[in-house]
Amino acid sequence: NAGVTQTPKFQVLKTGQSMTLQCAQDMNHEYMSWYRQDPGMGLRLIHYSVGAGITDQGEVPNGYNVSRSTTEDFPLRLLSAAPSQTSVYFCASSPTGGNYNEQFFGPGTRLTVL
Amino acid sequence: DAKTTQPNSMESNEEEPVHLPCNHSTISGTDYIHWYRQLPSQGPEYVIHGLTSNVNNRMASLAIAEDRKSSTLILHRATLRDAAVYYCIKRSNYKLTFGKGTLLTVNP
Repeated sequence: NAGVTQTPKFQVLKTGQSMTLQCAQDMNHEYMSWYRQDPGMGLRLIHYSVGAGITDQGEVPNGYNVSRSTTEDFPLRLLSAAPSQTSVYFCASSPTGGNYNEQFFGPGTRLTVL
Repeated sequence: DAKTTQPNSMESNEEEPVHLPCNHSTISGTDYIHWYRQLPSQGPEYVIHGLTSNVNNRMASLAIAEDRKSSTLILHRATLRDAAVYYCIKRSNYKLTFGKGTLLTVNP
């Protein structure tokens, strides 16, 4: 299994540009989520999904959209990038069925917005 | 959703045991305690989790207080590769809520 994969690894945007961060997993996990991590901080939840067609907001959803059309993929869209969205973005997945399941994290996408 | 409380940093010597404390005074009956660690420039990595009983796995042990308001992650013999930020997290409704974690430094 490749686990959780994220593309791209690095991205530089100008203010106002839009882009999509890709996340895929091959473990047939129902639960997927997106986090952002700012320097010296813990991860903060942006959006999550408990299955195809179901998404919900996390702690910091403003400026981001998600959709979940398949079990495998959970893309994160930045509608109009702002410097405040400069961060490292992590995608994670886990089976549902209980709070005892571990989450598997991808390697991250480092985004800079100028 | 209250987060957990951990010391900002701790230091250990190689091959000695490390006890990383965590307070989670607002935990509810169905919240699991999870520990993850994050090595530099990597995504978080699962370490261990528990509900009420002490737990052991190949990486670490987790000791949970009887009232569940605190827990301790135990690394039995720290190595240089254990140097990382360790996060103590309540998992509730599938979601993980991260705090700032404890930066563990391991001295050779």
